[in-house]
This record gives sequence, C-alpha cells and structure tokens, in this order.
Amino acid sequence: DSGVTQTPKHLITATGQRVTLRCSPRSGDLSVYWYQQSLDQGLQFLIQYYNGEERAKGNILERFSAQQFPDLHSELNLSSLELGDSALYFCASSVGSDSPYEEQYFGPGTRLTVT
Amino acid sequence: AQKITQTQPGMFVQEKEAVTLDCTYDTSDPSYGLFWYKQPSSGEMIFLIYQGSYDQQNATEGRYSLNFQKARKSANLVISASQLGDSAMYFCAMREPFSGGYNKLIFGAGTRLAVHP
Repeated sequence: DSGVTQTPKHLITATGQRVTLRCSPRSGDLSVYWYQQSLDQGLQFLIQYYNGEERAKGNILERFSAQQFPDLHSELNLSSLELGDSALYFCASSVGSDSPYEEQYFGPGTRLTVT
Repeated sequence: AQKITQTQPGMFVQEKEAVTLDCTYDTSDPSYGLFWYKQPSSGEMIFLIYQGSYDQQNATEGRYSLNFQKARKSANLVISASQLGDSAMYFCAMREPFSGGYNKLIFGAGTRLAVHP
C-alpha cells in the first residue's frame, strides 16, 4: 500500500457526461500528480499541483481540469467525455516538487469507462 | 527531449531463476533519477527501486537490483529468485526537466514478465 488513495476505483459513464476523480496524497506529501494510462498512449503526465498551486501542466485536454485543496487532496474533473477518454487515471504524490531524484508514489488508479 | 526505451515487450522466466529487464534512456541533463515500477494485472503502480545519476553504487532493494551503466545510458532491472507473484508489467521511468523543475515522470513502453512454475 503506497499510502495514496483514489476514489472511485471504477467509473462507468456515458459520452458527454462529467466526472470527478479524487485523490488523497501520502501523509506529508505536498505534490500531487495526475497521469493517464491508455492502450494507445501509454502513461502520460497530465498535471501537477504543489501545496495548492498548479506547478506544471502536461498533455491535459481543455475539457479536463484539476485542483488541490487546502487539506492537500486533489480532484481531477473530466467533462464532455468522449469514448477516447476511457483510461486508467492515476494520482501520484511526492514530498517535494522539483527534484529529479525523488520517487513518486502512485495510488491504485481509477478506471474510467466511457460508453 | 528525454526518452526511455524498453526493447523487450515480453519476457518469461522459470520460477526461482533470475531475469534482467532492459532499459535505456536518453538525456543530456547530468542530474537525473531512474525509477522502476511494477504494474500487476490489478492495475496499481508499485514503486520498486531508484537510481540517481550521481550514485556510485548500483541500487538494491531485496530481490531487485539495478544494473546501472552510465556511459551506456542503461539501467536494467535484475530480479533474482523469481516468484510467481513477479508476473506483471514493469516500467522504467525518469523524471524529466519540465516547466522549471523535474515535475513529470516519463515512462518506457513497459515489459510484460511472465514467471512460469
């Protein structure tokens, strides 16, 4: 158990809908990262928050948004869902933000299926 | 841009034998960290081992060790005494300089390991 929690584990929804994925980082970790894992794109970085502030933005679509709250949990909002958004969404956390040497600990993931 | 290459889509090994999973990386940055993750069929990503670019010795964590050859830009994962529970997808990853820091991990395509009894 990495100490990172994600809810829900599974989500099935229809095209055009909006969903919210939730993540709680490990105790003491200030950074939260979101990744998407799909069959065709592999694992891709979406966005990072550090202590409540957006720190880095990767391949995140405009239909997607995220935030980190004062208690450090984070939410990833996906709207106007398309079939191609079906993927495994991971949250990861680390203590700091910018070190090349620090590992990121991953949550169990949320499997999103868009029908 | 940095890149991680895992050339073995699939590997199999007999239980109790050792296996090496290959990873090569490409970076011009002198400071970097290399990470290996395990993804079993249940889907979670489990951190296994880490090697820093300035580390003098190869990293070890239990049955996992990293064969780090800096000049060749390779960081191969060695699993000794394979167990059936080692059957999983294995990803090599590196933190990439991005947006003023080393925020994101970039991953290789992964190697699927099957351990046979």
